[in-house]
Amino acid sequence: GAGVSQSPSNKVTEKGKDVELRCDPISGHTALYWYRQRLGQGLEFLIYFQGNSAPDKSGLPSDRFSAERTGESVSTLTIQRTQQEDSAVYLCASSFSAMEIYEQYFGPGTRLTVT
Amino acid sequence: AQTVTQSQPEMSVQEAETVTLSCTYDTSENNYYLFWYKQPPSRQMILVIRQEAYKQQNATENRFSVNFQKAAKSFSLKISDSQLGDTAMYFCAFMGYSGGGADGLTFGKGTHLIIQP
Repeated sequence: GAGVSQSPSNKVTEKGKDVELRCDPISGHTALYWYRQRLGQGLEFLIYFQGNSAPDKSGLPSDRFSAERTGESVSTLTIQRTQQEDSAVYLCASSFSAMEIYEQYFGPGTRLTVT
Repeated sequence: AQTVTQSQPEMSVQEAETVTLSCTYDTSENNYYLFWYKQPPSRQMILVIRQEAYKQQNATENRFSVNFQKAAKSFSLKISDSQLGDTAMYFCAFMGYSGGGADGLTFGKGTHLIIQP
């Protein structure tokens, strides 16, 4: 696995349903970041993990959003009771560490459409 | 909080021409990093070039170079000898040094660059 992978690539869900988005970072990267990209907009930083710890969850848009990470591996972003305004591309990135500024490597994103 | 502004929603140039994408930012921090990312239709964000604010010399990467004006808080990207494969969204991004990597990147809204054959 050379790069960051995300699944699913696309997800269409009905309003009110829960969705789970997955991110596999580059092996050895201790830092993992989630971003949201609404149509025609730049990326909006949501949350980061250093190891499996997320010290600051204030960037999550609402309490319907949650994220977790297992060790220094896979992370999942869960959106409960989805709303139409949650429709966006959700991008994940990983870097060597969040303790200093290292290059972030991005995955291809998950396009979420809430109908 | 910092903000990043890209004032050109879309630009179009002919192949082999030189094009400059503009970016301005606002921050109270003295030490920070600036980045240009490219996002082709595949959605994969690719780092094009980075600049550390404490370095006076402008960063260059092959056909890509920046004009970093710290006092003016300006960070433009110049693409020389543009190629069809340069067609993409380009995002300017900021990261403050005080937070390390913990603050995430702050992005502008992007410029859609189209290279015409």
